[in-house]
Amino acid sequence: AQTVTQSQPEMSVQEAETVTLSCTYDTSESDYYLFWYKQPPSRQMILVIRQEAYKQQNATENRFSVNFQKAAKSFSLKISDSQLGDAAMYFCAYRFIGGGADGLTFGKGTHLIIQP
Amino acid sequence: DVKVTQSSRYLVKRTGEKVFLECVQDMDHENMFWYRQDPGLGLRLIYFSYDVKMKEKGDIPEGYSVSREKKERFSLILESASTNQTSMYLCASKTGTAIYEQYFGPGTRLTVT
Repeated sequence: AQTVTQSQPEMSVQEAETVTLSCTYDTSESDYYLFWYKQPPSRQMILVIRQEAYKQQNATENRFSVNFQKAAKSFSLKISDSQLGDAAMYFCAYRFIGGGADGLTFGKGTHLIIQP
Repeated sequence: DVKVTQSSRYLVKRTGEKVFLECVQDMDHENMFWYRQDPGLGLRLIYFSYDVKMKEKGDIPEGYSVSREKKERFSLILESASTNQTSMYLCASKTGTAIYEQYFGPGTRLTVT
């Protein structure tokens, strides 16, 4: 079975600084997707960034980028120039590429605090 | 934009009551999901559906059932609510293609007393 581990229950960063959230996963599959989702307080969960395992290039979305290390099964999220609106729970998630409508496998989340 | 809505943001029920949580999506998605979110445990999959009237158990189906009579609507049913079902419930949907991004509703915080 696949597992996703987020070892940092909580992280704190000063506004405008850079922070990296860690995620490791365990799978025997070779083709899969990895995601970072953001859940602001009392608001809807939204997708931040997605990485296809077969792509060597790390995904980027504006201030958000990932460091995908397939051999190490590591998928960290870097947030540059942190803003107050980045404060949220962040979840790392995994889905193998294949048939079926199985849900995503999520980590336990990291609570990101932005200090003004 | 994809919109997933849930019938209630907050719900308080008594032990033993039958509880219905409703989810509606407006993007003609084939697949729909119910997750439970608890602090320190992340999101855990309860049930999912890949088509009308089709359903599959997720990781923690005990104490729950689901219904999907129409493509846009997926209901989670607690036949006899218990205090250990106090939680945040999230609905999600996705297209049936190989794009795996899921779109989430705002969640229902259920308290069973």
